[in-house]
Amino acid sequence: QQQVKQSPQSLIVQKGGISIINCAYENTAFDYFPWYQQFPGKGPALLIAIRPDVSEKKEGRFTISFNKSAKQFSLHIMDSQPGDSATYFCAALNAGGTSYGKLTFGQGTILTVHP
Amino acid sequence: DAGITQSPRHKVTETGTPVTLRCHQTENHRYMYWYRQDPGHGLRLIHYSYGVKDTDKGEVSDGYSVSRSKTEDFLLTLESATSSQTSVYFCAISVVAGLSYEQYFGPGTRLTVT
Repeated sequence: QQQVKQSPQSLIVQKGGISIINCAYENTAFDYFPWYQQFPGKGPALLIAIRPDVSEKKEGRFTISFNKSAKQFSLHIMDSQPGDSATYFCAALNAGGTSYGKLTFGQGTILTVHP
Repeated sequence: DAGITQSPRHKVTETGTPVTLRCHQTENHRYMYWYRQDPGHGLRLIHYSYGVKDTDKGEVSDGYSVSRSKTEDFLLTLESATSSQTSVYFCAISVVAGLSYEQYFGPGTRLTVT
């Protein structure tokens, strides 16, 4: 079964701190790993994504770390701000074959950043 | 927002009634998806489409059907709504970028089945 397990379910961080959200997957055919950010009442928005040929990707304060051997990847939010408070989802995709772009999502992490 | 609109945005309906949700896109994307979002379950794929009249089931398709007669419209029908189908429904499209599929989501439809 294609699964992506995400932890923690909720996370509280002080302003300026580092937020870390972890995901683990089972299907070794997955080769594209995006993260989505969702604010209340809105649809998820693509935040950052990585392919398994690199171990890290950074965009501003957001970094994905990828460990292919452990089948794990994580999102780090540096200098967390109250405006980062949202729900974050990891996802995975097998871009080859007949996947038709179907993503498998983790369960989500509710991040709260206190001022 | 990749030109995605969903209608209605909110709906309350009674158990046993049929309900149709509409997803409309303006940029001729080939791939479209319907998800439902429930607390603790993340986003779960209901059905998807890879072209006009080409659709297939996702992981939670029981009780749902879809149709895509035009590139721009993807309809989700609850054949006989049940309380377990109370959820927030999101439509999405994929933009193929090299070996990546960047999915973009609509604003969602909040459905309550009483």
